[in-house]
Amino acid sequence: GAGVSQSPSNKVTEKGKDVELRCDPISGHTALYWYRQSLGQGLEFLIYFQGNSAPDKSGLPSDRFSAERTGGSVSTLTIQRTQQEDSAVYLCASSGASVPGELFFGEGSRLTVL
Amino acid sequence: DAKTTQPPSMDCAEGRAANLPCNHSTISGNEYVYWYRQIHSQGPQYIIHGLKNNETNEMASLIITEDRKSSTLILPHATLRDTAVYYCIVRAGTSYGKLTFGQGTILTVHP
Repeated sequence: GAGVSQSPSNKVTEKGKDVELRCDPISGHTALYWYRQSLGQGLEFLIYFQGNSAPDKSGLPSDRFSAERTGGSVSTLTIQRTQQEDSAVYLCASSGASVPGELFFGEGSRLTVL
Repeated sequence: DAKTTQPPSMDCAEGRAANLPCNHSTISGNEYVYWYRQIHSQGPQYIIHGLKNNETNEMASLIITEDRKSSTLILPHATLRDTAVYYCIVRAGTSYGKLTFGQGTILTVHP
């Protein structure tokens, strides 16, 4: 597809389990971002990848959260030992060289931790 | 990045122009103004951006004051589908880097 693709769209898990969320950015976009949005809250920046540079991990809330981007394309956000407060919509975005500040967002992955 | 201030909510009648203000009094010379919106249950959508000149595209117009301390996003003929949260973001240059989203303005378009 032409847009940012995220999977799964919905994930229900039990407290303490690990989850992986996947993001396929727009082809050719070198920058990839993860945000999360809790119910009724604003967008919280998590992590940002740009090319081969070291990622900006300044928004990751704890060491249970990690992300990688393989081959400069697909990214996986991993949450270990999930907690109920991790319940949120996790949004991925990518941007390209023409307008680096124009982020294209996916539809998000809704995570519910029981 | 400079902080922005937006009203928490605004109303607009369908078919009328919606004018959404944003204050960014501490903006510096290399910072651009970006506008995004988020319709309920969707990811944010880029609308427009500018440095100091007014900008227009198929979605909206962006008016930036001469001193660049504030700007207005104009939706010329608002429709019900324009009901969304609108975010004004100030960001350094046109380089890559994170966007910091504030609370935005909830725009409600009424029939």
